Amino acid sequence: VQLVESGGGLVQPGKSLKLSCSASGFTFSSYGMHWIRQAPGKGLDWVAYISSSSGTVYADAVKGRFTISRDNAKNTLYLQLNSLKSEDTAIYYCARTPGVDYWGQGVMVTVSS
Amino acid sequence: DIQMTQSPSFLSASVGDRVTINCKASQNINKYLNWYQQKLGEAPKRLIYNTNNLQTGIPSRFSGSGSGTDYTLTISSLQPEDFATYFCLQHNSFPYTFGAGTKLELK
Repeated sequence: VQLVESGGGLVQPGKSLKLSCSASGFTFSSYGMHWIRQAPGKGLDWVAYISSSSGTVYADAVKGRFTISRDNAKNTLYLQLNSLKSEDTAIYYCARTPGVDYWGQGVMVTVSS
Repeated sequence: DIQMTQSPSFLSASVGDRVTINCKASQNINKYLNWYQQKLGEAPKRLIYNTNNLQTGIPSRFSGSGSGTDYTLTISSLQPEDFATYFCLQHNSFPYTFGAGTKLELK
């Protein structure tokens, strides 16, 4: 199992960014996936979940601003981040579920003017 | 939301020591509790799932126990590679929530 995030970077408040998580080593379409983040020096926060059938659940802090999606043909998970705030600055991890067993290495998103 | 209170935040120990880390949930999480190890710059690694199930490939010195709201990770004999940060995750219900982490340091 390998999960590789990409798409992070420095972005201004109010702007958008799209993260990707490329999956390999398992049948991606059969698994749910999560995005989880960790702000600098802080603990972990669950962000969003998408089921194998593309049902979604979001944390209140990101509901209406972030969108989780998947492309099973490309074995890729996405997170669209809109209306970014400074408090969204974090390392973003994708993780496989059930059981939140495997995680990627993470990608840094910095929201700053 | 279910709050996860993890203790201690820091733990200083020596190679060969037995250590325990605790997580207390604000309500019953039905044993849907995982433990992870994280080293700087690396992806978190699942050690224990659903309270007491050892992840494949994880040494047997790691074990988990608990029920209801109280859960424990035990490392029976610390090895040099075990000095890292540990955290718990409840996946009983959304939003999933994490303990704040325990940094295990070499004494």
